[in-house]
Amino acid sequence: GNSVTQMEGPVTLSEEAFLTINCTYTATGYPSLFWYVQYPGEGLQLLLKATKADDKGSNKGFEATYRKETTSFHLEKGSVQVSDSAVYFCALLGSARQLTFGSGTQLTVLP
Amino acid sequence: ETGVTQTPRHLVMGMTNKKSLKCEQHLGHNAMYWYKQSAKKPLELMFVYSLEERVENNSVPSRFSPECPNSSHLFLHLHTLQPEDSALYLCASSQVQGEETQYFGPGTRLLVL
Repeated sequence: GNSVTQMEGPVTLSEEAFLTINCTYTATGYPSLFWYVQYPGEGLQLLLKATKADDKGSNKGFEATYRKETTSFHLEKGSVQVSDSAVYFCALLGSARQLTFGSGTQLTVLP
Repeated sequence: ETGVTQTPRHLVMGMTNKKSLKCEQHLGHNAMYWYKQSAKKPLELMFVYSLEERVENNSVPSRFSPECPNSSHLFLHLHTLQPEDSALYLCASSQVQGEETQYFGPGTRLLVL
């Protein structure tokens, strides 16, 4: 079956640091890949997505590239802000048209 | 209202109570979902409705009963819950055979005493 593996958290960074959150997946076929973000006390918000190999999703300074050869979709941001503190979820939409989520990575950005 | 809304945002109930969670989507989608988010566990898909018909159950206990009267509304009826059912319940919607990205509501934080 499908699975998503994210790097273990929590991740703590200083403001303006570079962020990478690793995500790898296992799936048959050609899944779509997503990053969702959950701010404290809220639901999940779509951050970015990519629907085919080599696509780059981007939003709010965050980027992730769909790498089929390494089955990865790592999230990056060049300079994090305190307001980026949240839990980040990697997910894939497989051939059964259902989302499979990673376990989430808690990010805390310190001023 | 835009997006996906959920009411109530917070709910406290006893194990003998009956309550319902409501979800409404304003995106013109034709599929809706209930997820359970517990502390330190991955999101669990509970129910899927596509074109108003249930297509996925995922072995959820019968004390949770979904209802989808139309493509814009989804309910989760709760009865005789257990304390371990305390969690954040998230609703989502998507367009089947379209973009298929799922958009989530803010969730209902449920505490069962």
